[in-house]
Amino acid sequence: AQSVTQLGSHVSVSEGALVLLRCNYSSSVPPYLFWYVQYPNQGLQLLLKYTSAATLVKGINGFEAEFKKSETSFHLTKPSAHMSDAAEYFCAVSTGFQKLVFGTGTRLLVSP
Amino acid sequence: ETGVTQTPRHLVMGMTNKKSLKCEQHLGHNAMYWYKQSAKKPLELMFVYNFKEQTENNSVPSRFSPECPNSSHLFLHLHTLQPEDSALYLCASSQIAEGEETQYFGPGTRLLVL
Repeated sequence: AQSVTQLGSHVSVSEGALVLLRCNYSSSVPPYLFWYVQYPNQGLQLLLKYTSAATLVKGINGFEAEFKKSETSFHLTKPSAHMSDAAEYFCAVSTGFQKLVFGTGTRLLVSP
Repeated sequence: ETGVTQTPRHLVMGMTNKKSLKCEQHLGHNAMYWYKQSAKKPLELMFVYNFKEQTENNSVPSRFSPECPNSSHLFLHLHTLQPEDSALYLCASSQIAEGEETQYFGPGTRLLVL
């Protein structure tokens, strides 16, 4: 069975600083990996996804993530944080068959 | 309308009320999902519908009753709920495929049970 661990329920950065949100997965078969973002009082919006093509995946709003099989990781990064990036971020893993397993989320706080 | 829409966005109901949540997807997908999002807990998959047929019920209490009249619409009928059912209910849709299937989510209905 698949599982996802997101280290840190809260991450605080200053505006302009590097954003790094960690995600480690467990899967017995090659996974598909996703990052979603949830703004207050909104649903989940797809940021980016890894589907076994390039290991470095670029998403919307300047975010990117790198799939590292040896480390079973799919960390999300952004070079320079913006106030509008403050939200909750969810990592999810799937091996198909409509099963999407989510982590518990990381709340990103951005201070001026 | 584009993407996945949900109505109402907010709902307050008593434990003896009956209400329904509505979801509509405008993406041409053939699968739809209900999820429950509670504070401090991972998203919980409740129901899955493929081509209007229910393919998964994740041990959801019978006070939640889903209905999928066609591939674009999904309802969640609620009756005699409990306060612990208060949560954000999210609808999603996807295109069934071999391999990767991306799920697209609606904005959710924030439910409060008094």
